[in-house]
Amino acid sequence: DGGITQSPKYLFRKEGQNVTLSCEQNLNHDAMYWYRQDPGQGLRLIYYSQIVNDFQKGDIAEGYSVSREKKESFPLTVTSAQKNPTAFYLCASRRGQVNEKLFFGSGTQLSVL
Amino acid sequence: GQNIDQPTEMTATEGAIVQINCTYQTSGFNGLFWYQQHAGEAPTFLSYNVLDGLEEKGRFSSFLSRSKGYSYLLLKELQMKDSASYLCAATANQAGTALIFGKGTTLSVSS
Repeated sequence: DGGITQSPKYLFRKEGQNVTLSCEQNLNHDAMYWYRQDPGQGLRLIYYSQIVNDFQKGDIAEGYSVSREKKESFPLTVTSAQKNPTAFYLCASRRGQVNEKLFFGSGTQLSVL
Repeated sequence: GQNIDQPTEMTATEGAIVQINCTYQTSGFNGLFWYQQHAGEAPTFLSYNVLDGLEEKGRFSSFLSRSKGYSYLLLKELQMKDSASYLCAATANQAGTALIFGKGTTLSVSS
C-alpha cells in the first residue's frame, strides 16, 4: 500500500541534543512538507521541498534543518537552537500541483526531557 | 500577507446541523481545502473548492465565495464521531505549493 511513514511515533529530546524525525513516502510525490502543531493550534509550515535536492523555508524554520537527497525521503532535524521543540510534527506530500490534496503521515510527538 | 481565520470552538448536539466559517486573505489564492483532525492523529481530507458555490459530499458540504474571501463547511446529521478539529487551508504565493492552515475549529458534539 502506498503512503507516508513517519518515525518514531514518540521522541524525547535532552537539552542541547539534536534529534532527527524520519519521513518516507512511496507515493512517487515530488513535493514534501513539514508542519508543526502545538496544542489547540493549527499547522505551521517549517520547511517544504518541491523537488529533490531543493527545499525552502516556511514560516518557522529557525532551529530546524532538512535534506532532500532522495525523492522518497525528507528528514527533519530539530537542532539545539530550537528552544521550544515540544510539539506534534506532521510530514505531508503531494504530486506538487496546487490543486491537489496533501497526504499526511501519522505524526511524531516530540517532548523535551 | 496571509491570514486565515476560523472560530476556535463550536458545540452542537447529535442530529443537528453546524456551519463552520473560514475567512482568508492570501496572495496567490488557488482554492480552499477543508481537513478533519481527531486528537493526536493526522488530518484527513474532506473537500476542496476552487470555484464559487456549494459542493456536497454526503453529510458534508463546502462553500466558497472567492470575491468575499469566505468559505464554510456544513455538517449535517451530526454524529458523536464528528467531534474533531476542522482545519481550513489555502495556498499562498510565498509558500510555494505548501498549504497555509488556519488554527482550526474544535467541534464538540454531545448527545
